[in-house]
Amino acid sequence: DAGVIQSPRHEVTEMGQEVTLRCKPISGHNSLFWYRQTMMRGLELLIYFNNNVPIDDSGMPEDRFSAKMPNASFSTLKIQPSEPRDSAVYFCASSSLAANNEQFFGPGTRLTVL
Amino acid sequence: SQQGEEDPQALSIQEGENATMNCSYKTSINNLQWYRQNSGRGLVHLILIRSNEREKHSGRLRVTLDTSKKSSSLLITASRAADTASYFCATAETGANNLFFGTGTRLTVIP
Repeated sequence: DAGVIQSPRHEVTEMGQEVTLRCKPISGHNSLFWYRQTMMRGLELLIYFNNNVPIDDSGMPEDRFSAKMPNASFSTLKIQPSEPRDSAVYFCASSSLAANNEQFFGPGTRLTVL
Repeated sequence: SQQGEEDPQALSIQEGENATMNCSYKTSINNLQWYRQNSGRGLVHLILIRSNEREKHSGRLRVTLDTSKKSSSLLITASRAADTASYFCATAETGANNLFFGTGTRLTVIP
């Protein structure tokens, strides 16, 4: 298995632009998580899905952030409009109950908003 | 959401020495996990200890869990320069799919 796949790996955009981050979880995993990591705030859980259904989005900072999981093999995190304070590394992770909820992380997307 | 807190925030040791990191958490848990993050990479799972276990070993890693004190420790023996990374504890509550990650300990092993 290729592991969790994220794209793009790096994104540089200007303030006000729409940003879409993509994630493909490990096949067979039924939970998917989006995290944001910065030096100031550390690792923050933004939202997670079980069986493609959003369970907890309390970590989504604002209405500018939205996430979807249209099927078991694909999820997106969208920021519209983006702001400089959104600059961070965004990680996607997946897990399964059968594996004690051990989470497998993708390589992350480093987002820079100018 | 970050439930755990780790101590120390940063640790610097000489190669060959042992490194001990501590984690405290707040609620009842099903299991506790330790993860490692190399600079610029995603987190990687190291070891899991269940709430009914007190100690677990994996290679040079030793994890302890004290549920009465709501704390765990990760010991890395005979450290190597390649162990330089950030280490996070994460707790899983019974019935929940998500994990609560700690704030992390930045370990530097000096060759």
